Amino acid sequence: AQSVTQPDIHITVSEGASLELRCNYSYGATPYLFWYVQSPGQGLQLLLKYFSGDTLVQGIKGFEAEFKRSQSSFNLRKPSVHWSDAAEYFCAVRYNNNDMRFGAGTRLTVKP
Amino acid sequence: GAVVSQHPSRVICKSGTSVKIECRSLDFQATTMFWYRQFPKQSLMLMATSNEGSKATYEQGVEKDKFLINHASLTLSTLTVTSAHPEDSSFYICSAAPWAGYEQYFGPGTRLTVT
Repeated sequence: AQSVTQPDIHITVSEGASLELRCNYSYGATPYLFWYVQSPGQGLQLLLKYFSGDTLVQGIKGFEAEFKRSQSSFNLRKPSVHWSDAAEYFCAVRYNNNDMRFGAGTRLTVKP
Repeated sequence: GAVVSQHPSRVICKSGTSVKIECRSLDFQATTMFWYRQFPKQSLMLMATSNEGSKATYEQGVEKDKFLINHASLTLSTLTVTSAHPEDSSFYICSAAPWAGYEQYFGPGTRLTVT
């Protein structure tokens, strides 16, 4: 069955530290991959997406993600976290039929 | 570009009443729209997919008679929660795509509280 896994429910990092949020998917072919951020009570903001081509994708707000086919992963990274990055992060996968599935989300807390 | 709006952003209704939520694509025509539900501290769960001019396709476990979806135009889809109950309280998010298989653009969400 198709699924999206975000193993980390909650991550706390210090401001200025690096960040990596994990995402794994299960699917027979290469899906379209997305990372969204959601602030409390708000909708989703697209950080970046991967459809094809270069497996290292640059997004907004200094985020990047790397698609690794061998590991079925699409981990999100940021070299230096800012306090404003505290939010909920969702990995999403879209399959051929436009069916989009979301991971459970990872809540990021940033310590001063 | 690619802006999707939802109205209202928040709504409180009494148990047993119906409430309608609108989802509009403001600067593009959306042949396909999606409705998601998000419980507190949980992920988004797809409720249904609607194509303009067609009946919506509901995900397993979603009651189509309770959650009425209409996609009558290329820029507007509505979700009506009929005979709402407190357990229907949730955050409802819509998304829209110019055509099936294209990227979805998400609305800001509607917080529904049923008292």
